[in-house]
Amino acid sequence: NAGVMQNPRHLVRRRGQEARLRCSPMKGHSHVYWYRQLPEEGLKFMVYLQKENIIDESGMPKERFSAEFPKEGPSILRIQQVVRGDSAAYFCASSPAGAETQYFGPGTRLLVL
Amino acid sequence: KQEVTQIPAALSVPEGENLVLNCSFTDSAIYNLQWFRQDPGKGLTSLLLIQSSQREQTSGRLNASLDKSSGRSTLYIAASQPGDSATYLCAVMRNAGNMLTFGGGTRLMVKP
Repeated sequence: NAGVMQNPRHLVRRRGQEARLRCSPMKGHSHVYWYRQLPEEGLKFMVYLQKENIIDESGMPKERFSAEFPKEGPSILRIQQVVRGDSAAYFCASSPAGAETQYFGPGTRLLVL
Repeated sequence: KQEVTQIPAALSVPEGENLVLNCSFTDSAIYNLQWFRQDPGKGLTSLLLIQSSQREQTSGRLNASLDKSSGRSTLYIAASQPGDSATYLCAVMRNAGNMLTFGGGTRLMVKP
C-alpha cells in the first residue's frame, strides 16, 4: 500500500503565476488535510476535505487559495497570483473516516521568485 | 483556540545523553496527542500517539507522557544517538478525524 503521494516535490513560480499542488491519499482513505509550514515555523492547518466536500476551511487564506477533492483523482491545492510570502512547504495528510491519526506525504516545497 | 508550545526551540547534546522535550497546550479538551519527527526537507514520521485517557506510551528508546489536566506532554529520549538529530513536533487533535494543531517544534542535534 503506497503512502500519501504529493507532486511536484519542488515547485518554482514567479510572482503572479498560479501554483497547483497535488495530493493522492493512501488507498482507502477518503479524508484529506492540507497543512502549510512557513520557514522556521510549525505546521498550520489549512483545509480538511472529503470526496467532493470541504469540511473545514478555517485555516485557508480568504483570497487566492482554493482546494478540491474530486470524486476521481487527487486533491488539488490551488494558489492563484502567488506572492513571495506563499513560499513554504505544503503537506498533505490522509486518513480513513473518523481516524485517530493522519498519514503525511513528503510535502511540496514552493518557492516564489 | 488551541495553542501548542514547544520548549526548547533548539537543543544540542552530546551522544549518549538522556533528554526531555516539552510540549504544552492551552485547551485540555483533546482527543489525543502525537509526537512526530521531521528530517530536513522531508515529511513527518509519527513516533508516538497518546490517547486522552492514557498517561504514557513507549517505543524503544522513546517515552511520551501526557498530563491532560495541566496541558503538558513530554518526550523522553534515552541514550541519544546522532541519528536522532531532527526536528520533533507535537500535535493535538481535538476530536477524532479533526485537524491537528502543531507546536513550533524542537530542533535537536546530537553530536558524536
